[in-house]
Parts: sequence; structure tokens; C-alpha cells
Amino acid sequence: ETGVTQSPTHLIKTRGQQVTLRCSSQSGHNTVSWYQQALGQGPQFIFQYYREEENGRGNFPPRFSGLQFPNYSSELNVNALELDDSALYLCASSLGAGMLNYGYTFGSGTRLTVV
Amino acid sequence: RKEVEQDPGPFNVPEGATVAFNCTYSNSASQSFFWYRQDCRKEPKLLMSVYSSGNEDGRFTAQLNRASQYISLLIRDSKLSDSATYLCVLNNAGNMLTFGGGTRLMVKP
Repeated sequence: ETGVTQSPTHLIKTRGQQVTLRCSSQSGHNTVSWYQQALGQGPQFIFQYYREEENGRGNFPPRFSGLQFPNYSSELNVNALELDDSALYLCASSLGAGMLNYGYTFGSGTRLTVV
Repeated sequence: RKEVEQDPGPFNVPEGATVAFNCTYSNSASQSFFWYRQDCRKEPKLLMSVYSSGNEDGRFTAQLNRASQYISLLIRDSKLSDSATYLCVLNNAGNMLTFGGGTRLMVKP
């Protein structure tokens, strides 16, 4: 059983650029959630994808968008990068959306630095 | 007011000590509660779920007090390897986890 894998592990971008982060969910999981963790803070929910549809969104602007593919992998896209977007971006996969107490498995994250 | 509040610490304790963290939450409708552990520059990992009846896993004991809306984590006989950030986490709407800011624990020899 493979866990959640994210790529790239580290990334440096310039303010105003666009970035795409990728996530492969754990085998058997059909739901992917994305979180942003700024330094010294807890992760903040960005959005979740279930069956290729957005299934809930946190308090993030529209320049944060995503996709889920038929194999349940997912992408997070951020346009018009700002310095405050510098953070660790975490992907978590789970089985089923809206199902409490189901385990979430996190990937090791992508550390994005915007300069 | 933040939905989940934790004392950021750090809590500096000697090996073998007992240490307790509390977490308060504002949404009385919260249904599921967890403690996650996060090592420096790593992803969060589930430490344990928290049940109303309280639950124990080895040296770790978690308690939930719904009336007062707080969750606690007790670590007995602290080990150096327990040094990490402990995140209090709620699952309200089924499709998102709400994290506290974390409490940092440093266990010293």
C-alpha cells in the first residue's frame, strides 16, 4: 500500500507567477484535501475534492484552484502568487467525503517560497 | 476568536515527566476530535482520536469535556522522542479538519 506522495518537495517562485502542486492519494482513497500551513501555525483547509468535484472550500481566494483526476490524484494551482503564499502545502487523502472518523493520511508536503 | 485554541508553548520538561496539554474549541456542534503530532518540517500524523469516555494508548491519555468544550492530552513518562508539536484537531462538517495552532513540547535529558 503506497502512501500519499506530493511533488515537488520544494519550490521557489517569484511574486506574480503561477504554481501547480501535485498529489497522489493513498491506494484505495478517493478523496483529496489540501491544506496550507504557514510557519508556526496549524494547517488551514483550502478545499477538498471528491469524485473529481470540489466538495467544500475554506477561506481562500479564487486564485487557489484545484483538480482531481479519475485516478483520484489531484493538483493545486495558485495564480498571481503573493509573498504570503509562502507555506507548506499539505495534501491529505481519505476514503469517502463527509464521513467522520475516517482516517486522513497526509503527504509530506510541498514547501513553497515566494520571493 | 479562533475555532480551536492551544497554548503554543514551548513546554520544556525533563525525561520521565508527565505533561498535559489542553485545547478549547468554540463550535459546540463539533463531532470528532483528534490529536495529531507534527515533527519539525514534517507532515502531521494522527496520534489518537478523542472520545467522550476518554481513551488511553500506552503513555498517552486523551479526554474530551463537551460541557466545557475542551480536549486534553496527557503524556506520562516523557521520552526524548516525544519532542514535537501537538495539534488539536476537530472534524465538524465531515469534509474538513480544523487545526489548532499547535503546542510545542521539548523533552530534555
